[in-house]
Amino acid sequence: KAGVTQTPRYLIKTRGQQVTLSCSPISGHRSVSWYQQTPGQGLQFLFEYFSETQRNKGNFPGRFSGRQFSNSRSEMNVSTLELGDSALYLCASSLGGLSNSLSTDTQYFGPGTRLTVL
Amino acid sequence: LAKTTQPISMDSYEGQEVNITCSHNNIATNDYITWYQQFPSQGPRFIIQGYKTKVTNEVASLFIPADRKSSTLSLPRVSLSDTAVYYCLVWSGAGSYQLTFGKGTKLSVIP
Repeated sequence: KAGVTQTPRYLIKTRGQQVTLSCSPISGHRSVSWYQQTPGQGLQFLFEYFSETQRNKGNFPGRFSGRQFSNSRSEMNVSTLELGDSALYLCASSLGGLSNSLSTDTQYFGPGTRLTVL
Repeated sequence: LAKTTQPISMDSYEGQEVNITCSHNNIATNDYITWYQQFPSQGPRFIIQGYKTKVTNEVASLFIPADRKSSTLSLPRVSLSDTAVYYCLVWSGAGSYQLTFGKGTKLSVIP
């Protein structure tokens, strides 16, 4: 079974621009979560989508947004980029609570998108 | 969300067994304990997850005492490729998909 894929893998933008990142979950997974990882703050939760609805949201400004499509693929958008947005953006997918056994509902991460803002 | 505490770093020689202990004093009844491994500039890789007692898979073992206030990840016979950051997390399963990562333990395997 193919793992979580993220595109693009690397991205360079300038301040003020906007960017869209894409995540394709493992087949059959309905939940997609997004995380930002920086050397200073570590891994921080952005938001989680399930069945095209945002179910959980972290403490990030409104410049960070996302959406999920009917095939469970998800996109994350960052508008008006700032230097501090340079980070590794990770998405993770899971069944989302559809399993009868919660202990098996593990989140699997993709390789990430490295965003550099100049 | 239960907070976890684990050593910042550990060193080990190749071929040795490594045990990384994580403290989670405020773990809730519904929480599971999960460990991830992360290499630089890659996404975290799921290693093992458990609720109580002992869980073993082809990669590692997870020991959880009866009070569940701590857990120990055991990596048998580590190799240089096991050099990575290891994260211990607790999460409450369905309905709560926000994983809270601490700083993790940087394991360095020495030849």
